[in-house]
Amino acid sequence: NAGVTQTPKFRVLKTGQSMTLLCAQDMNHEYMYWYRQDPGMGLRLIHYSVGEGTTAKGEVPDGYNVSRLKKQNFLLGLESAAPSQTSVYFCASSLGSPYNEQFFGPGTRLTVL
Amino acid sequence: KNQVEQSPQSLIILEGKNCTLQCNYTVSPFSNLRWYKQDTGRGPVSLTIMTFSENTKSNGRYTATLDADTKQSSLHITASQLSDSASYICVVSAQGGSEKLVFGKGTKLTVNP
Repeated sequence: NAGVTQTPKFRVLKTGQSMTLLCAQDMNHEYMYWYRQDPGMGLRLIHYSVGEGTTAKGEVPDGYNVSRLKKQNFLLGLESAAPSQTSVYFCASSLGSPYNEQFFGPGTRLTVL
Repeated sequence: KNQVEQSPQSLIILEGKNCTLQCNYTVSPFSNLRWYKQDTGRGPVSLTIMTFSENTKSNGRYTATLDADTKQSSLHITASQLSDSASYICVVSAQGGSEKLVFGKGTKLTVNP
């Protein structure tokens, strides 16, 4: 099993550009999450999904959109990137309850100039 | 406000020595507490989970303790190895849903030869 994979690993955008980050998991997990991690701060939840076709806002959802069209995939979109969105983005998934262990992907390092 | 505070922010020890990392939380109502290890450039990986009724749990050279009365947890690493160099993140779950995970900022541990 590959676990949780993220595409791309690195990306540089100019302010105002758009992009989509792809997360895929092969563990048949119901729950999936998108986090951002900034220096000196803990992981912060952007959006999450409790099942195919569902999404919900987390702690810092502004400027991001998500879609969960397939159970194994969770997409994070930036419609108009801003320098404040420069961060490392992590996708995670968990089986059933969110209290179960979350399995994290390797991260995507995004720089917005 | 739900918060998780970790100390120290960073720690440098010599290989073979023991160390203890601290986590204080104000999350309520408490569900469980996890310690994650995050290697540089990688996603976090769960080390151990503590529920309300558990005081101590071990995972190899890692031993976590929980005092639910004082809302404190510690992670003790025995006979440290170079591979223990990483950030250690305390994550506390509040009852109520996927958005109720509160992440600490982590302790960066460096083990020197």
